[in-house]
Amino acid sequence: DIQMTQSPSSLSASVGDRVTITCQASQDISNYLNWYQQKPGKAPKLLIYDASNFESAVPSRFSGRGTGTEFTFTISSLQPEDIGTYYCQQYDDLPITFGQGTRLEIK
Amino acid sequence: QVQLQESGPGLVKPSETLSLTCTVSSGSISSYYWSWIRQPPGKGLEWFGYIYSSGSTNYNPSLKSRVSMSVDASKNQFSLKLTSVTAADTAVYFCARTFGSGTFDSWGQGTLVTVSS
Repeated sequence: DIQMTQSPSSLSASVGDRVTITCQASQDISNYLNWYQQKPGKAPKLLIYDASNFESAVPSRFSGRGTGTEFTFTISSLQPEDIGTYYCQQYDDLPITFGQGTRLEIK
Repeated sequence: QVQLQESGPGLVKPSETLSLTCTVSSGSISSYYWSWIRQPPGKGLEWFGYIYSSGSTNYNPSLKSRVSMSVDASKNQFSLKLTSVTAADTAVYFCARTFGSGTFDSWGQGTLVTVSS
């Protein structure tokens, strides 16, 4: 299985801060990498697909980049509604696997 | 916008079979893959596998011996069965539409299944 390692596991930042989460794959996955946001008690929501493409209606402050084994997800200006847990997920090879999640809190 | 809704028992006894159904509305089940994903309390996400609208399947090898999926296109539903459950199978179970070969673009709200006697 392809292992997905996110860092940090948790993050506390202030409103307006630039926030970056890293996801590392255990092998080359090209750009077959998605990012999801999950709020407590809710299903995950797709934000970014194929490493850098915005899902419809996703605010432009969210962005993703990377290819191969190293990927980043950035919130350019953190908003209060962005609290939650963020997951990366690869689909280059089966089984589909997720990172362990990054919990984002507001200071 | 397509909507998904999981249904099934919230409590299953150890060694029994967990059965869940996902009903798709405001869209057709045809021409897509449909996945099951679970999340144990306070933990991360695990993909079970997916089924295509034609009925072909691909399961996570870690669960393959206990998992089966089926689809009923006439009802716009697909289903999950997990046999020989233990407490470790206690989780929120999500169904999700799977775009392409692995992008989950629409999710059900999730249903908590507890394995306990």
